[in-house]
Amino acid sequence: GAGVSQTPSNKVTEKGKYVELRCDPISGHTALYWYRQSLGQGPEFLIYFQGTGAADDSGLPNDRFFAVRPEGSVSTLKIQRTERGDSAVYLCASSGWDSGQVYTFGSGTRLTVV
Amino acid sequence: AQSVAQPEDQVNVAEGNPLTVKCTYSVSGNPYLFWYVQYPNRGLQFLLKYITGDNLVKGSYGFEAEFNKSQTSFHLKKPSALVSDSALYFCAVRALSGGYNKLIFGAGTRLAVHP
Repeated sequence: GAGVSQTPSNKVTEKGKYVELRCDPISGHTALYWYRQSLGQGPEFLIYFQGTGAADDSGLPNDRFFAVRPEGSVSTLKIQRTERGDSAVYLCASSGWDSGQVYTFGSGTRLTVV
Repeated sequence: AQSVAQPEDQVNVAEGNPLTVKCTYSVSGNPYLFWYVQYPNRGLQFLLKYITGDNLVKGSYGFEAEFNKSQTSFHLKKPSALVSDSALYFCAVRALSGGYNKLIFGAGTRLAVHP
């Protein structure tokens, strides 16, 4: 696609529920990144995919968070047993050989845990 | 540790005046530096980058930034501010960590341009 697409744009869920956030990167981009942005803060790195594999998942806060990219394109960020502290905007970005080192970000998914 | 510091939470400037948004960084090796802008309820938009070459880089919407290696700074500047420049600005450095590169962001600076 022309840009990075994230769905849903907004998600409200109850504490303890499971959620999935989807990212559709720019076509042909092999690198995909997930970030989390809490109110008043800068984006915080969560995980990086190169192709289908998670090359660096050092930013995932705990084992309730998991992400997959099974075919090297669309990625899903999965959060189990959500907590109110998980409320944030989750941003996805992609980059490729033609990006000039620039990440292109999606508009994000605003997750609210009530 | 690799990090980015944006010392000002907010910068206020009158329309037509020059603006500067400050950024300093700490990273191993040669830095790749970026500025992104975020408008309300929007994703991050790329403004400009320094990879190598001239220390003064020019980007979108009339913004520019100067890489200063000795001061480890990459301040964002614009000669004449517009009200429409009001937004949240993030400085970022691409850092090598665990063998892989990833962007590390500062906390952001809110720019308010007053008519």
